[in-house]
Amino acid sequence: GAVVSQHPSRVICKSGTSVKIECRSLDFQATTMFWYRQFPKQSLMLMATSNEGSKATYEQGVEKDKFLINHASLTLSTLTVTSAHPEDSSFYICSARGGRKDTEAFFGQGTRLTVV
Amino acid sequence: GENVEQHPSTLSVQEGDSAVIKCTYSDSASNYFPWYKQELGKGPQLIIDIRSNVGEKKDQRIAVTLNKTAKHFSLHITETQPEDSAVYFCAAREGGGSYIPTFGRGTSLIVHP
Repeated sequence: GAVVSQHPSRVICKSGTSVKIECRSLDFQATTMFWYRQFPKQSLMLMATSNEGSKATYEQGVEKDKFLINHASLTLSTLTVTSAHPEDSSFYICSARGGRKDTEAFFGQGTRLTVV
Repeated sequence: GENVEQHPSTLSVQEGDSAVIKCTYSDSASNYFPWYKQELGKGPQLIIDIRSNVGEKKDQRIAVTLNKTAKHFSLHITETQPEDSAVYFCAAREGGGSYIPTFGRGTSLIVHP
């Protein structure tokens, strides 16, 4: 399968600061990227969908001003958690899909964010 | 929207036994059903998938079956090994629109040596 690289794998930040998570498609052009949040022992919760060059579409209940998503190129999308608080601590996972909509999306390794 | 139910939430087996995880979906428009394996601290990895025009698919020790009429699909793992221990997620995806999958709640599979 295709390779999606997510960085960093772990990050600890102080309350009130911002942290950026990168998601890169290494061997294909990702026309669509998805950002998920996963709480311990729970399923993946879709936060937003982004298409290259367009504004992200956020799921209901997800604050777009807090979770800034940029998808400026066909190989890179970023998620910035602004003014982080301890309740933002979670496992964030991206996935990327290229070409036709009915192709499979591949997941990154995930980022464990801890806000102290 | 689509709703995917997954059972059991936890499954404990002895090495060498078979494991079966079942999922049901609600939207008859869904036509693609992937299964993911997620190891601790890592992202989900696709292990097998099936499309609605097929009833069964097998890849070595892993097989997936699909019953469109009943709207359920299952993952079968034979000859389980300790390294099969992980959380498994099923998903259902519609054949049009946004093509965004809906995930089940996950099954924690524990294979005891």
